[in-house]
Amino acid sequence: NAGVTQTPKFQVLKTGQSMTLQCAQDMNHEYMSWYRQDPGMGLRLIHYSVGAGITDQGEVPNGYNVSRSTTEDFPLRLLSAAPSQTSVYFCASSGTGTGELNSPLHFGNGTRLTVT
Amino acid sequence: AQSVAQPEDQVNVAEGNPLTVKCTYSVSGNPYLFWYVQYPNRGLQFLLKYITGDNLVKGSYGFEAEFNKSQTSFHLKKPSALVSDSALYFCAVRPPPDKIIFGKGTRLHILP
Repeated sequence: NAGVTQTPKFQVLKTGQSMTLQCAQDMNHEYMSWYRQDPGMGLRLIHYSVGAGITDQGEVPNGYNVSRSTTEDFPLRLLSAAPSQTSVYFCASSGTGTGELNSPLHFGNGTRLTVT
Repeated sequence: AQSVAQPEDQVNVAEGNPLTVKCTYSVSGNPYLFWYVQYPNRGLQFLLKYITGDNLVKGSYGFEAEFNKSQTSFHLKKPSALVSDSALYFCAVRPPPDKIIFGKGTRLHILP
């Protein structure tokens, strides 16, 4: 059981470049989300999705796009990377069905992104 | 706006002493409440959650949490701290069926 898989683990970009962080889960979870973790700032929600075809903004959505074409995948796109987007990014998923709303988030291992 | 507050950036406790990591929240309705732990250079692991009923919830590694509805708090506790408990702890809330939001985290240092 793979759980939540994030790729790549590490990435270095130059300012202005674009890239996609991949996230896939094999638990048939409807809810998927992206967080960024910065020292002293905790985990901040970027975007989230409650099912295929449905996405919504979190606390810090600017500079990021998401789409949810399948239940399994939830990629995060950086349109034009900036040094302020240097961070560790976590994808997480959970169930949303009856009796699942109180189920914990399952996290990927994170992607460490550096923008120079 | 919905928010989660962890008022202490860092908590220092001597090994063997009880520990408390504080969390308060401001969300609508009756949210689900969680604690997660992050060890150095690792991802986040689930510790425990609050389900309606008993206000004292028991979780992994001997941790427990006390829910107080009137104070909108969900403090993490452990009767006797271990050096291996040193880590970053996050409180999270989920006002169903909405997004899950986290506090800023509290770094716990257990002193030998």
